Amino acid sequence: DTGVSQDPRHKITKRGQNVTFRCDPISEHNRLYWYRQTLGQGPEFLTYFQNEAQLEKSRLLSDRFSAERPKGSFSTLEIQRTEQGDSAMYLCASSLTRSTGNVNSPLHFGNGTRLTVT
Amino acid sequence: GQQVMQIPQYQHVQEGEDFTTYCNSSTTLSNIQWYKQRPGGHPVFLIQLVKSGEVKKQKRLTFQFGEAKKNSSLHITATQTTDVGTYFCASRQGGSEKLVFGKGTKLTVNP
Repeated sequence: DTGVSQDPRHKITKRGQNVTFRCDPISEHNRLYWYRQTLGQGPEFLTYFQNEAQLEKSRLLSDRFSAERPKGSFSTLEIQRTEQGDSAMYLCASSLTRSTGNVNSPLHFGNGTRLTVT
Repeated sequence: GQQVMQIPQYQHVQEGEDFTTYCNSSTTLSNIQWYKQRPGGHPVFLIQLVKSGEVKKQKRLTFQFGEAKKNSSLHITATQTTDVGTYFCASRQGGSEKLVFGKGTKLTVNP
């Protein structure tokens, strides 16, 4: 178990630029989640994938945000035309989900990508 | 939509004192998970509660799920400086598979 890996760790960009983040989940995990966290807040759900299918996307997410998981392994999160309000820690998490019902598989988080938009 | 509310937002204790954080929901929860995030770190899974009235222990940590499955608590006995961090509860929202996190309780421990 090498853990969830995110790249880059930090990204500083100017307003209006596009940025892309990468997440490599734990290899056997079928679910991959993107969350955003700002100071003093809990992680805010953005989207999640089951294998390569994007099953849910937050209604709070603007059209400037897009995520992909083309082969059901790594994922990318792209933010177009960044705004200062996009500054946050972007967390990726993965889980191995075998069944539904009342039991949720725990999420394994990466160290995150801290985005600063100037 | 379903939300989980956590109180208190901050808690400062002297080392050796006990600590409790509470998680409340207006709707019945199918389950609840607890995570700990150390300063500068990422959330780490602690435990999941599923059954009504469930109580689980991990060393000095005691987790409870309310009888009505609308609230949960995390209690730490005799805090240590290693307990410092923010504790989050999280639950699945409605029929969705996504986990919704509370705002967390930030614990600081004075040695």
